[in-house]
Amino acid sequence: DSGVTQTPKHLITATGQRVTLRCSPRSGDLSVYWYQQSLDQGLQFLIQYYNGEERAKGNILERFSAQQFPDLHSELNLSSLELGDSALYFCASSVGPVKETQYFGPGTRLLVL
Amino acid sequence: GENVEQHPSTLSVQEGDSAVIKCTYSDSASNYFPWYKQELGKRPQLIIDIRSNVGEKKDQRIAVTLNKTAKHFSLHITETQPEDSAVYFCAASRDTGRRALTFGSGTRLQVQP
Repeated sequence: DSGVTQTPKHLITATGQRVTLRCSPRSGDLSVYWYQQSLDQGLQFLIQYYNGEERAKGNILERFSAQQFPDLHSELNLSSLELGDSALYFCASSVGPVKETQYFGPGTRLLVL
Repeated sequence: GENVEQHPSTLSVQEGDSAVIKCTYSDSASNYFPWYKQELGKRPQLIIDIRSNVGEKKDQRIAVTLNKTAKHFSLHITETQPEDSAVYFCAASRDTGRRALTFGSGTRLQVQP
């Protein structure tokens, strides 16, 4: 167990809908990262937050957004969902922007029908 | 931005043999290189990492080597066991600018008993 928690574990929804994925980092970690992993694909970096501020942006679609709250948990919002958004979404956390060891949560498996 | 290439995409070895996975990176400023193991449907787990001030690091049956001049690093697993079967991802990041990890495309290792 990495200490990073994600909810829900599974999510099934329909095209055009909006969902929110939640992540709680390890105690003491200030950075949160979101990744998307499609079937048999690698890990695509979406976005990073550090202590409430957006730190880095990767291949995140405009339909997706995220935020990190004062208690350091983070939410990833996916809207106008398409079939191709079906994937595993991982959250990871690290101590800060310099110490890059990242610990991954168990992931949320999203299925868009 | 950073680009990480990983080879081979699949690797099959006999139990007890060694396995080597290689990665090259493009950003000469990258200075942190972790390796993650991901079992089917599970979270990526950090197995070893190396920073650019060292050329080699070992942890029991696992070792990582880094050649900064050539911009490549490798994972070596000796005395492979069936439980080593998984997908392995290399990654690279830097301390300045965009600090998020850039992952390789993964290597599916199959250890035949």
